[in-house]
Amino acid sequence: DAGVIQSPRHEVTEMGQEVTLRCKPISGHDYLFWYRQTMMRGLELLIYFNNNVPIDDSGMPEDRFSAKMPNASFSTLKIQPSEPRDSAVYFCASKGNNQPQHFGDGTRLSIL
Amino acid sequence: QQQVKQSPQSLIVQKGGISIINCAYENTAFDYFPWYQQFPGKGPALLIAIRPDVSEKKEGRFTISFNKSAKQFSLHIMDSQPGDSATYFCAASKGSNYQLIWGAGTKLIIKP
Repeated sequence: DAGVIQSPRHEVTEMGQEVTLRCKPISGHDYLFWYRQTMMRGLELLIYFNNNVPIDDSGMPEDRFSAKMPNASFSTLKIQPSEPRDSAVYFCASKGNNQPQHFGDGTRLSIL
Repeated sequence: QQQVKQSPQSLIVQKGGISIINCAYENTAFDYFPWYQQFPGKGPALLIAIRPDVSEKKEGRFTISFNKSAKQFSLHIMDSQPGDSATYFCAASKGSNYQLIWGAGTKLIIKP
């Protein structure tokens, strides 16, 4: 079992640039979650999908953030334009029906 | 009413001692209470979970105690070891297929 795979592991970019984070969930899992973790705000749920359909995006901070899940094995979180306050660790997690969430190792994003 | 309040924020325990982390919730509709463990550079991983039909669940050195009337639950780590040093998150949800409401996390340090 490969687990949830996130890429890149680290991303450093300048303010104003577009950032795309990628996630490959565990095969067979039908829920996918995007989280953001910071020291100040802890672990925040941004959006989650069920069967590739966005169910709740109320945690997405602004229109600069967007997430897609074009198929069951891939999801992206995009920030455009990026700002320094977007610097955080972004986690993707997936789960099967009545199963716990399994997290990837995260993408550490730094916006200069 | 959606909050889960976790305490303490940080905890230092001597090797061999008992570590206790507490969480409180308000929404009586919550019926799934997991604890996650996170090591630096890694995503959170499920440690142990409980449903409100039992007052205690034990897995090895880890025990969840649940008090439904007080709307509180706690994690006890017996014979704490340096390898237990991590950040611990409690969470709650209405059923295991709903989004988790997360506590703020507790950074646990076990001193050798």
